[in-house]
Amino acid sequence: DGGITQSPKYLFRKEGQNVTLSCEQNLNHDAMYWYRQDPGQGLRLIYYSQIVNDFQKGDIAEGYSVSREKKESFPLTVTSAQKNPTAFYLCASSMGTGTQETQYFGPGTRLLVL
Amino acid sequence: AQKVTQAQTEISVVEKEDVTLDCVYETRDTTYYLFWYKQPPSGELVFLIRRNSFDEQNEISGRYSWNFQKSTSSFNFTITASQVVDSAVYFCALSEAEYNFNKFYFGSGTKLNVKP
Repeated sequence: DGGITQSPKYLFRKEGQNVTLSCEQNLNHDAMYWYRQDPGQGLRLIYYSQIVNDFQKGDIAEGYSVSREKKESFPLTVTSAQKNPTAFYLCASSMGTGTQETQYFGPGTRLLVL
Repeated sequence: AQKVTQAQTEISVVEKEDVTLDCVYETRDTTYYLFWYKQPPSGELVFLIRRNSFDEQNEISGRYSWNFQKSTSSFNFTITASQVVDSAVYFCALSEAEYNFNKFYFGSGTKLNVKP
């Protein structure tokens, strides 16, 4: 079955710790995205990647970092510089980056600060 | 200013009632796409429909229907004969070109509670 997987489902972070969220897709999509969702709000774009070895900052990139070494993988690291990391993180992918492209989403990772 | 406005924060209906979720968008582009997604309690966003700016024909898929009106910049979603399984948060989104990629703008979502 083709789809997007995210792990872990829940992640706990201690103060000053970096944590990495995994996102893998087997849809052969070129583009991948990371969004943050806070309670009662819509999705905000953190980073996106249109192709392997390339990525761009979204609207709220501060305190986050990404890599895109493989087409199917787009991990997100939440660094200690992100002062309010508690949120629901969603990974998405699309075939390309034209306006007609539908973004498909993974099941999400909920990050909590201890 | 909000690109996509979903004014209804939460709606509660009784099973079998019809319900309409409103979506108003703002864009200066002539070519754009509109989407609806469903987010059940599990959290994953499920794609429901995509509509391009040149196609104002209404669409019906089973109990779901969508009304796109460019004159009022609205893309409303109606569920007929609602069921408990329809309970979820529904997001409307606008895709328009920003530099060389398709930027998605999401509304803040409408939480639909369908009671038995």
